[in-house]
Amino acid sequence: GESVGLHLPTLSVQEGDNSIINCAYSNSASDYFIWYKQESGKGPQFIIDIRSNMDKRQGQRVTVLLNKTVKHLSLQIAATQPGDSAVYFCAENIRGYSTLTFGKGTMLLVSP
Amino acid sequence: NAGVTQTPKFQVLKTGQSMTLQCAQDMNHNSMYWYRQDPGMGLRLIYYSASEGTTDKGEVPNGYNVSRLNKREFSLRLESAAPSQTSVYFCASSEGYGVYEQYFGPGTRLTVT
Repeated sequence: GESVGLHLPTLSVQEGDNSIINCAYSNSASDYFIWYKQESGKGPQFIIDIRSNMDKRQGQRVTVLLNKTVKHLSLQIAATQPGDSAVYFCAENIRGYSTLTFGKGTMLLVSP
Repeated sequence: NAGVTQTPKFQVLKTGQSMTLQCAQDMNHNSMYWYRQDPGMGLRLIYYSASEGTTDKGEVPNGYNVSRLNKREFSLRLESAAPSQTSVYFCASSEGYGVYEQYFGPGTRLTVT
């Protein structure tokens, strides 16, 4: 069957490099954001979240940056490993709404 | 804990057939969701259940029905399958309604011929 990864922008990096995956949003009322990782044939997995009252949040090897001025979100992965190869997508919650809106995703390919 | 489980993993239907996708979570979550995922597109919400006893339409509800059987289980039914419903279906749950982290099941890959 056709993979969810087809037709997605792709970022190819070498093992050990730092990776930056970007996400743009359009609604200035968005106030909560999540990054998910989806490996082939699996369901999305939570990586990290951030609220709009923050500019930066760090986790283990991952950092999310939020620039509300230009409505831009990025996920930085330090020392990328082959196991990081997956589709990454952001999701946002718009203030006043109860559901998440998901982006289309970026495929990250890590070569040894 | 198994988290979120879905059955079946794969299914092939002929146009017009019906089927029910099953979902269960063992995290005592209040809210549950059904999404579909198509190539090159983001996850799209079909239906959700904010709490036991309630269900609401999402972005793409046409052709589907849901049942929140109890706090653990949330099923998705296709009454008369169409080729446009060929997709991967994901169930998710969250502790609360809306902004909380959602936990996803492994998905059901459905093909309608």
